[in-house]
Amino acid sequence: DQQVKQNSPSLSVQEGRISILNCDYTNSMFDYFLWYKKYPAEGPTFLISISSIKDKNEDGRFTVFLNKSAKHLSLHIVPSQPGDSAVYFCAAGGSYSGAGSYQLTFGKGTKLSVIP
Amino acid sequence: DAGITQSPRHKVTETGTPVTLRCHQTENHRYMYWYRQDPGHGLRLIHYSYGVKDTDKGEVSDGYSVSRSKTEDFLLTLESATSSQTSVYFCAISGQPQETQYFGPGTRLLVL
Repeated sequence: DQQVKQNSPSLSVQEGRISILNCDYTNSMFDYFLWYKKYPAEGPTFLISISSIKDKNEDGRFTVFLNKSAKHLSLHIVPSQPGDSAVYFCAAGGSYSGAGSYQLTFGKGTKLSVIP
Repeated sequence: DAGITQSPRHKVTETGTPVTLRCHQTENHRYMYWYRQDPGHGLRLIHYSYGVKDTDKGEVSDGYSVSRSKTEDFLLTLESATSSQTSVYFCAISGQPQETQYFGPGTRLLVL
């Protein structure tokens, strides 16, 4: 059962416009959420995160919004640039194993294409 | 960028052979993870380590074993590779804050 869902496999946006990537989760125990960006043949790169005690976090062109009641988060990129073309993964965490390790659950990713 | 390297970066092997992938970090982070990425599945946790000689299973651990004899190295072994283990393997590390994991460049493994 998928606990973190990215329902849009792909998204195309014109350069300069806003890109909105969405992510839904089912586990109410999740308390920390992250977005990663991945280029082909590279590892995922951490982009931005948000704790469940907040509803918004901003870092330059990137803003993440969290709606806990809807179990939904979104990543806004404004303005979108061609270099933003990549696969974006949503991840959620909320539990520590007995050994103290914090586990993340990832969505399947959304491929963003920014058209010049 | 976090100091994480993976070796080899690419490997082709035959079914039934053992394979070992290495993850090396220079950040002195306590936690290390192995994931695999497959089309339609995102990233799935195979095993993780919470210290030297301390490891535990993740979501898709069958057919894999790990070892960590030094803080900086985390090895993933496929005891007898199968075609279903053809994948891209990523190592990740986390320190403080523990919630954020940083990934290596990946190893592309093809099992024929």
